[in-house]
Amino acid sequence: AQSVTQLDSHVSVSEGTPVLLRCNYSSSYSPSLFWYVQHPNKGLQLLLKYTSAATLVKGINGFEAEFKKSETSFHLTKPSAHMSDAAEYFCVVSDRSGGSNYKLTFGKGTLLTVNP
Amino acid sequence: GAGVSQSPRYKVAKRGQDVALRCDPISGHVSLFWYQQALGQGPEFLTYFQNEAQLDKSGLPSDRFFAERPEGSVSTLKIQRTQQEDSAVYLCASSLIRLLTYEQYFGPGTRLTVT
Repeated sequence: AQSVTQLDSHVSVSEGTPVLLRCNYSSSYSPSLFWYVQHPNKGLQLLLKYTSAATLVKGINGFEAEFKKSETSFHLTKPSAHMSDAAEYFCVVSDRSGGSNYKLTFGKGTLLTVNP
Repeated sequence: GAGVSQSPRYKVAKRGQDVALRCDPISGHVSLFWYQQALGQGPEFLTYFQNEAQLDKSGLPSDRFFAERPEGSVSTLKIQRTQQEDSAVYLCASSLIRLLTYEQYFGPGTRLTVT
């Protein structure tokens, strides 16, 4: 079974300061991990993905995440927040087990607010 | 290019009514998924199609939920005798399912409110 825990339901930062959104996962097999962003009234958009290649993954809009197997973590970071980063962020796992390698399991989400 | 589209964007139904939600996937995407997102929660998997074949419906919450994709493109999620607990945003996603990518492209969702 696979699961995801997003450690913060809400993170608030000031514009120009670093962003850290924390995610821990549980998976029986070698997982694929993703971060999706959801802006109000918009579809979920893929920020970045880890699929057993490089452990430091770079995504769109300056975001990156590091896969740490020993810590079962996949935290999302950005050096400098922009007002347009305000949105809901979801950490997602797919463990490719038992043939259901398409099934995505989402965390509960972290709401990021960016203050001017 | 065109992304995944869903209609209607908003639907209000009285308890007990039947509803049908439509999804138009990205052209050429063979895989299609439905998810349910309750308020304040992450999306949860409902069902999966590869072309017209429904390969997994393990996430459908009850036999009142039914999904189809008869020609391997457009899909419809039908909910019979709606209940208040069905109120949620229903998301559709499509994918090519390339090896090692599994990237799913999501539509904007249909917000269903059952009164």
